[in-house]
Order: sequence, then C-alpha cells, then structure tokens
Amino acid sequence: KQEVTQIPAALSVPEGENLVLNCSFTDSAIYNLQWFRQDPGKGLTSLLLIQSSQREQTSGRLNASLDKSSGRSTLYIAASQPGDSATYLCAVSDDYKLSFGAGTTVTVRA
Amino acid sequence: GAVVSQHPSRVICKSGTSVKIECRSLDFQATTMFWYRQFPKKSLMLMATSNEGSKATYEQGVEKDKFLINHASLTLSTLTVTSAHPEDSSFYICSARPRPGRYEQYFGPGTRLTVT
Repeated sequence: KQEVTQIPAALSVPEGENLVLNCSFTDSAIYNLQWFRQDPGKGLTSLLLIQSSQREQTSGRLNASLDKSSGRSTLYIAASQPGDSATYLCAVSDDYKLSFGAGTTVTVRA
Repeated sequence: GAVVSQHPSRVICKSGTSVKIECRSLDFQATTMFWYRQFPKKSLMLMATSNEGSKATYEQGVEKDKFLINHASLTLSTLTVTSAHPEDSSFYICSARPRPGRYEQYFGPGTRLTVT
C-alpha cells in the first residue's frame, strides 16, 4: 500500500522568502505525482503534474522536482507572497488512484 | 474547462437521517468519478470509485450500505450517506476523470457535512 508523507506539517515564513515543501512516497511504481493547493474549507486546485518519466515541472514561481527512485518530490515556491498561504498536498498515482499526503500548511507573513 | 461542481456545499442534518451529495462534471463527460473523505489536518481518503453504469468499487473499510454511490450518467454521481451519525461529519470531495487512459482528476469544491 502506497504511503505518502509530507514534511513539515506546517511552515511559517516572512514574505519574500522561498518555500521548500517535501513529499515522500514508499512505492516508486507511480504513473505521476501531483501537487495541489487547498484553501480552508475549499476543494483542491491542481498546481503541477509530473509524469513518472519527468524530472521536474515549472509554472511561474512554482517548480516541482521528482526523484522516483528515491521516492521524493520537492515543491519550490519562489519569492513567497501572503496569497500563497494555504495547505499544499502532494498525491501520487499508481494506477488511476491517487494517494495523498496529509499536506503542509503554509503561512506567509506580510 | 474541466469544472466539477458539488451540491450542496454545506449541509447539516439530524442523526438518523440520510443526506445526498451531488457531483457534476460541467463541461466534460466523466467515465470515472471518485469520492474522498477528508478529516481535519488529515489527508484525503479515497472512499470509492464509480464508473458510469456500473456498481461502485469501495475501498477497504468503507461500508457500501452506509455510503451509497450512484453514477447514473456521464456527468453526475451521487453519494448518499444513509442513517447518518455524528461520526460521519466530515468534508466530502469528489473528483472526475475525463476518459479512460488519462490520469488527470478534476476536483469538486467539497461538501461539509455536519450531523447533529
């Protein structure tokens, strides 16, 4: 059974600092890995999807890397802004099912 | 594109009653829909997978008689929580997959269920 872990569980940084969020998974036989953003009481917004054959994906200030062999992914958010405050979830797909981590709750202080 | 809606967004019901939650794909046909449950500060837990026109596949530990899932059309799936109890209070999120062979899932905004 796939286990997904996200560290740290919570993170507070001053505005402008770069954010580094970590995700690890136990079974490297994945199809893809996704990073989502969730605002309080809301659904999920997909940020980046990395196929298993890819090493990284970038979108604006966001960059996600994937090291499938070691079972790790890292989400980098450059020059953080208060609007980046949210919970970030990573999820791996091993067939069509997604297995989620518990998330990292980020607070960016103005 | 790829918008998924859920209705209602919030519902409060009394213990022992049943409540239905709808999940709709608004601008695409979804051959597969998924239902998740999320506890505070916990990860999303997959409850069941439903394919249009067939019975839902439930994850281990999820009571299929308690959480009835119907996927009557390519744009609508419903989750009915039967004889709800306070421990069923949770955030329920659905997602939809556009077609077989694609792995993207598009998520609904979630439904907050409170059972009093």
